[in-house]
Amino acid sequence: AQSVTQLDSHVSVSEGTPVLLRCNYSSSYSPSLFWYVQHPNKGLQLLLKYTSAATLVKGINGFEAEFKKSETSFHLTKPSAHMSDAAEYFCVVSYNKLIFGAGTRLAVHP
Amino acid sequence: DAGVIQSPRHEVTEMGQEVTLRCKPISGHDYLFWYRQTMMRGLELLIYFNNNVPIDDSGMPEDRFSAKMPNASFSTLKIQPSEPRDSAVYFCASSFKPGDNYGYTFGSGTRLTVV
Repeated sequence: AQSVTQLDSHVSVSEGTPVLLRCNYSSSYSPSLFWYVQHPNKGLQLLLKYTSAATLVKGINGFEAEFKKSETSFHLTKPSAHMSDAAEYFCVVSYNKLIFGAGTRLAVHP
Repeated sequence: DAGVIQSPRHEVTEMGQEVTLRCKPISGHDYLFWYRQTMMRGLELLIYFNNNVPIDDSGMPEDRFSAKMPNASFSTLKIQPSEPRDSAVYFCASSFKPGDNYGYTFGSGTRLTVV
């Protein structure tokens, strides 16, 4: 069975500091993994995707994620947080359909 | 491309009324998905279609919910009769194919409030 676990429901950082949003997955197959972002009262936007090519995936707005098979992890990082990064982030595994994690709400303080 | 288009953006209705949500997928996408988002349950897949045919409706909560895709450019999600617990944001998404190399494109959602 496919599933994802987002290890933190809330993360709070100061502007200019690094961001780390953690995600572990469970998949019987070589997974396709995604990160989506949802800004308040907005739809879901694809940040980046892993599809068995490079293990380090770069996405939009300076985000990147590293696929680590040995740890079954796909953590999302950004070197320097910006106020506009405040949003909810979803880790997603795909097998015929997208299976969403519970989400991590990122707060960015001045 | 205008993306996935959902209507209406907001819907407020009284309990017992019929509600119809609409979705226009991206042209050429073979798959269409309906998701529901609530604070309590997060994002849930309700149903998805491939080439206009329903493939998996196991997420449809009960018989009050129905979805159709009469052609490649239009889908509806209907709730009849509606109940307050149906209040949620309903998202439609489309894709060339699920999984593999493709992410999904989501619409902006319909915020449904049943009073």
